[in-house]
Amino acid sequence: AQSVTQLGSHVSVSEGALVLLRCNYSSSVPPYLFWYVQYPNQGLQLLLKYTSAATLVKGINGFEAEFKKSETSFHLTKPSAHMSDAAEYFCAVKPPGANSKLTFGKGITLSVRP
Amino acid sequence: NAGVTQTPKFRILKIGQSMTLQCTQDMNHNYMYWYRQDPGMGLKLIYYSVGAGITDKGEVPNGYNVSRSTTEDFPLRLELAAPSQTSVYFCASILGWAIDQPQHFGDGTRLSIL
Repeated sequence: AQSVTQLGSHVSVSEGALVLLRCNYSSSVPPYLFWYVQYPNQGLQLLLKYTSAATLVKGINGFEAEFKKSETSFHLTKPSAHMSDAAEYFCAVKPPGANSKLTFGKGITLSVRP
Repeated sequence: NAGVTQTPKFRILKIGQSMTLQCTQDMNHNYMYWYRQDPGMGLKLIYYSVGAGITDKGEVPNGYNVSRSTTEDFPLRLELAAPSQTSVYFCASILGWAIDQPQHFGDGTRLSIL
């Protein structure tokens, strides 16, 4: 069975600072990995996904994530935080297969200080 | 296109009442999902459907029922509401599990049971 660990529940950065949100996964087979963002009172939107092609994945809004098999990690980064990045971020894992399902991490709330 | 539409957006129920959370999508997606989101717990899968007439249990199905009579609609029913079902409920859909297709989420139904 697969699982996702997002350490900590809240990260606070200054505007313009580096954003680093950590995600570690556990899976018996090489998985697909996703980052979603949730703004207040909205559903989840896909930021980026890893599909076993390039290990460095670029997403929307300047975010990117690097798949590191040796570390079983898929950390999300953005070089310079913007106030509009304040939201909750979820990492999710899915094993290959037509009917396999997404497993979500507990989420991390990102705050951006002026 | 409207995407995934959930109604109602908010609801307060008394213990023991029943209600149906509506979810409809206009993208002709085959797969549909119901999740619940509790603070600090991420999203937990309640039920899912891979096509009209086919439903299956997710991680936390107890106390809920679903049906999928059409491709567009996937209602979630609470028969005897309990305080433990206070949560935010999200419906999601995806055409299939080709990896370049993200899940599309509705904006959620916020349900309180008192």
